[in-house]
Amino acid sequence: AQSVTQPDIHITVSEGASLELRCNYSYGATPYLFWYVQSPGQGLQLLLKYFSGDTLVQGIKGFEAEFKRSQSSFNLRKPSVHWSDAAEYFCAAPSGGYNKLIFGAGTRLAVHP
Amino acid sequence: KAGVTQTPRYLIKTRGQQVTLSCSPISGHRSVSWYQQTPGQGLQFLFEYFSETQRNKGNFPGRFSGRQFSNSRSEMNVSTLELGDSALYLCASSLAPGTERTGELFFGEGSRLTVL
Repeated sequence: AQSVTQPDIHITVSEGASLELRCNYSYGATPYLFWYVQSPGQGLQLLLKYFSGDTLVQGIKGFEAEFKRSQSSFNLRKPSVHWSDAAEYFCAAPSGGYNKLIFGAGTRLAVHP
Repeated sequence: KAGVTQTPRYLIKTRGQQVTLSCSPISGHRSVSWYQQTPGQGLQFLFEYFSETQRNKGNFPGRFSGRQFSNSRSEMNVSTLELGDSALYLCASSLAPGTERTGELFFGEGSRLTVL
């Protein structure tokens, strides 16, 4: 069965530092992969999506992610974190239906001033 | 363009009661999905509706049900509430499945249900 794993539950970075959030997937075919962000008290917002083609995907808010088939990974990166990036980040993939997503457990990001 | 609207935002129920949650999707979106979010289980898919038909269902008991109306608005119902049903219930809308934007979900802010 498909699965999505986020190894890091909590990450703390200083404002202005770079960020990388890890995501590993288990998937048979070429996957769709997504990163969503959830700010406190809010719903989820799509940051970016990988479908096919270029393995480096650009998203909103200055985020990017790189698909690496050999490592079964789809890590999210940002070169310089802002305090407003503090939120929970979820990696996701379809499972048995294109709009039926399975989500990783999430990584909660804290940003220190 | 208005986002996904969920009502009510907060509600408290007691065990054994039932609850109905409502979701109005973004105009033009015909697919509506529901997710349950809890600290212990994370985000779990409940079901998806498209053109008033349930297309997919997650691994939840029959107490959880839903429907979609001709205007794409959706409701979900939980009967005989249990303490474990306390959660944030998120509705998400998207364009018709099968398009290049498949999987691009637009979430509402959720309905937080507390069962006492």
